[in-house]
Amino acid sequence: RKEVEQDPGPFNVPEGATVAFNCTYSNSASQSFFWYRQDCRKEPKLLMSVYSSGNEDGRFTAQLNRASQYISLLIRDSKLSDSATYLCVVGRSSYKLIFGSGTRLLVRP
Amino acid sequence: DAGVTQSPTHLIKTRGQQVTLRCSPKSGHDTVSWYQQALGQGPQFIFQYYEEEERQRGNFPDRFSGHQFPNYSSELNVNALLLGDSALYLCASSVSSGWNTEAFFGQGTRLTVV
Repeated sequence: RKEVEQDPGPFNVPEGATVAFNCTYSNSASQSFFWYRQDCRKEPKLLMSVYSSGNEDGRFTAQLNRASQYISLLIRDSKLSDSATYLCVVGRSSYKLIFGSGTRLLVRP
Repeated sequence: DAGVTQSPTHLIKTRGQQVTLRCSPKSGHDTVSWYQQALGQGPQFIFQYYEEEERQRGNFPDRFSGHQFPNYSSELNVNALLLGDSALYLCASSVSSGWNTEAFFGQGTRLTVV
């Protein structure tokens, strides 16, 4: 079993749709949580950190449930430019990042 | 600010050969981590260097080794290349203090082993 599990998708949604991604992690000692975005053949880039209180950045909302070891990302009003792979990432001890395999999002006109 | 730079961007090697990949961290960053990303997978942690020493290591064989220089730049060496070593190799730099400091990735080196 992978330490960070994500639905690989693809999620194919129309522009303007709301889409939610989920992720579960198995190690309860995990300390930090992130969503990264990776465009095709490019490097991953930090989208947002995730906190237990939940946090929002424009159209993006992330939630963390430590008890259920569950992380979510909600994208509202999807844009064509949101098409990418979204990587759920968990940090353990001094910045060792554990990546999920990613969820692919395709936003169509 | 140049960000994280990696070289070369692409590389083709023959099975059994050795390869060295290079990384220059973002200005002000002192920690360098290396990741291997196979096609369709998320990056897998190889190891991390801080103060010129390997601080953490993932589940990779001893064929994978590294080095960090006094200017914080780093090299990843892979010996006795296997076909399965074909992947995108990513370098990430960060600052050593704090849990939630962002890791910045370079554009990667795409290694093909034939």
